[in-house]
Amino acid sequence: DTAVSQTPKYLVTQMGNDKSIKCEQNLGHDTMYWYKQDSKKFLKIMFSYNNKELIINETVPNRFSPKSPDKAHLNLHINSLELGDSAVYFCASSPLGGNEKLFFGSGTQLSVL
Amino acid sequence: GESVGLHLPTLSVQEGDNSIINCAYSNSASDYFIWYKQESGKGPQFIIDIRSNMDKRQGQRVTVLLNKTVKHLSLQIAATQPGDSAVYFCAENSYTGGGNKLTFGTGTQLKVEL
Repeated sequence: DTAVSQTPKYLVTQMGNDKSIKCEQNLGHDTMYWYKQDSKKFLKIMFSYNNKELIINETVPNRFSPKSPDKAHLNLHINSLELGDSAVYFCASSPLGGNEKLFFGSGTQLSVL
Repeated sequence: GESVGLHLPTLSVQEGDNSIINCAYSNSASDYFIWYKQESGKGPQFIIDIRSNMDKRQGQRVTVLLNKTVKHLSLQIAATQPGDSAVYFCAENSYTGGGNKLTFGTGTQLKVEL
């Protein structure tokens, strides 16, 4: 009954490959997010979707393409992986409306070799 | 003990002592602030929040103080326990056209010594 679940937990891949990370929330929230956490623990927003519509795109390279098939799912596809993409990626969700706290998944550790 | 959140500093406290973690935020227009706790291998977990019309809010063993004049937040943890060991992040929120955008501080590593 995990509220925000993302898979896989760990992803090790070669440079140049294409990979996807999946996220699902069962909280009934309308808004979902992807955050990236670097090796220094700095958390930065990448995207947010509101009911399947892209709301925030924080100048992320277009190799990163989020896809939201429905409001409970927000997947992240990454093309042509680079060494600098190695990080922990967190999915999150929040209720619709301003100033609501975000609920985070447990993260996907991506290692690009 | 006290700490200012820059470059993931470490705050070491003895079990049972009070901890104070400080955070400076950047946007004077931010009106909602959250403290998150992140344990190793896990996602950020909500601790407490505060809106800009308040300057203090208390939870169970935690208190958040907000000073809008100097754009400063602090998290106070009473009677710190080993289970409190984690990285703590403050975050300021701006609401843009349907989405909450949380901007996180750099985090502070809290270590509780027995």
